[in-house]
Amino acid sequence: EVQLLESGGGLVQPGGSLRLSCAASGSTFRSHAMSWVRQASGRGLEWVSSLSGSDGSTYYADSVKGRFTISRDTSKNTLYLQMNSLRAEDTAVYYCVKERTPYYYYGMDVWGQGTTVTVPS
Amino acid sequence: DIQMTQSPSSVSASVGDRVTITCRASQGISSWLAWYQQKPGKAPKLLIYLASSLQSGVPSRFSGSGSGTDFTLTISSLQPEDFATYFCQQTSSFPLTFGGGTKVEIK
Repeated sequence: EVQLLESGGGLVQPGGSLRLSCAASGSTFRSHAMSWVRQASGRGLEWVSSLSGSDGSTYYADSVKGRFTISRDTSKNTLYLQMNSLRAEDTAVYYCVKERTPYYYYGMDVWGQGTTVTVPS
Repeated sequence: DIQMTQSPSSVSASVGDRVTITCRASQGISSWLAWYQQKPGKAPKLLIYLASSLQSGVPSRFSGSGSGTDFTLTISSLQPEDFATYFCQQTSSFPLTFGGGTKVEIK
């Protein structure tokens, strides 16, 4: 079974940038859709972005559109989230998630342990 | 955007109790709904997809039902390891949205 390991989180000043990485091991996620989901401390889950496993289409929450970019390097079995123009409201634990299929309809069946992004206000 | 409303926001129950959590979508989503369990400090875990399909490895005491706008997650006999927060998620269309969560606490 695939396992996901995120890295790249940290403390960044407002307006700064970070790139999160998600390395998959145990199997390839080449044919699966992949997503990023975040959770602010003590809050619920917020979908951030998805990348289709069928045609590579990308999707973004309005709150991050134009600032974040999701991408994948299949040769490295790694998913990325480039985050620019960071704001205090982006502060959260970011989870890398594998969807059950190439599409997003069938649930997120593998989650990473999360990486924390902190943007002070 | 499709809004997902869960109720109750918290429930106190005892081991062995039957627990039902409700999730309502602001518009019809057919059966495009998933349920997750999250324990403190841990990542969520997929329990149910397509409203009623049990994810591999999930105990059969968990079940899901519903279609359209109204859905339920039922735990038939609550076990100590089931005390956690549960989230629903609509997978019908972007933006994917989650319910606010239901915390199942020990009575």
